[in-house]
Amino acid sequence: EPEVTQTPSHQVTQMGQEVILRCVPISNHLYFYWYRQILGQKVEFLVSFYNNEISEKSEIFDDQFSVERPDGSNFTLKIRSTKLEDSAMYFCASSAGLAEITDTQYFGPGTRLTVL
Amino acid sequence: DAKTTQPPSMDCAEGRAANLPCNHSTISGNEYVYWYRQIHSQGPQYIIHGLKNNETNEMASLIITEDRKSSTLILPHATLRDTAVYYCIARIPGKGRRALTFGSGTRLQVQP
Repeated sequence: EPEVTQTPSHQVTQMGQEVILRCVPISNHLYFYWYRQILGQKVEFLVSFYNNEISEKSEIFDDQFSVERPDGSNFTLKIRSTKLEDSAMYFCASSAGLAEITDTQYFGPGTRLTVL
Repeated sequence: DAKTTQPPSMDCAEGRAANLPCNHSTISGNEYVYWYRQIHSQGPQYIIHGLKNNETNEMASLIITEDRKSSTLILPHATLRDTAVYYCIARIPGKGRRALTFGSGTRLQVQP
């Protein structure tokens, strides 16, 4: 069964450094998403991406964050200057782009980001 | 999206049915109820969704009350692998909004 993959599984970085989290969505899916989950807290939506542009974003997704689909298979989340509070599990998801009622989002296993 | 209320935790014996309730008393007529689960910090997994009719798939059944103010997710024969946090989400699809808003969910512990 096709699945979303994410690399790395764990990323440790120093505060102020840039990080790029990578995701390979399910082939032929058209919508891509990033969510995050701070330890012990809720899963929070960050951004959705369709047709090479952001289609929806949350208040969390400020100028420090950016997303890109650099080629036909990868989808990345960049954090320009990491803060301690960016430490979280980051989940990538993709969906086929069906009607919004039935468009199921498939999540990857996550990347645990630790900012020191 | 309507607010949903779920019990923070539940236990269920392995092999028995797990019935997970969700209250969504302010749900509007065009809001769907979706259920996802998250197994031990893995990515959330879609289970089922419905509007007003009861729904069943290979994973679970969804029972929505006639007034739509509450619903129950039923795992007919719970296994240890069903131990997870279950999220009930009420949302109106459309207008380009696909973001999922997760609450705190119900932590289901399936006991051997």
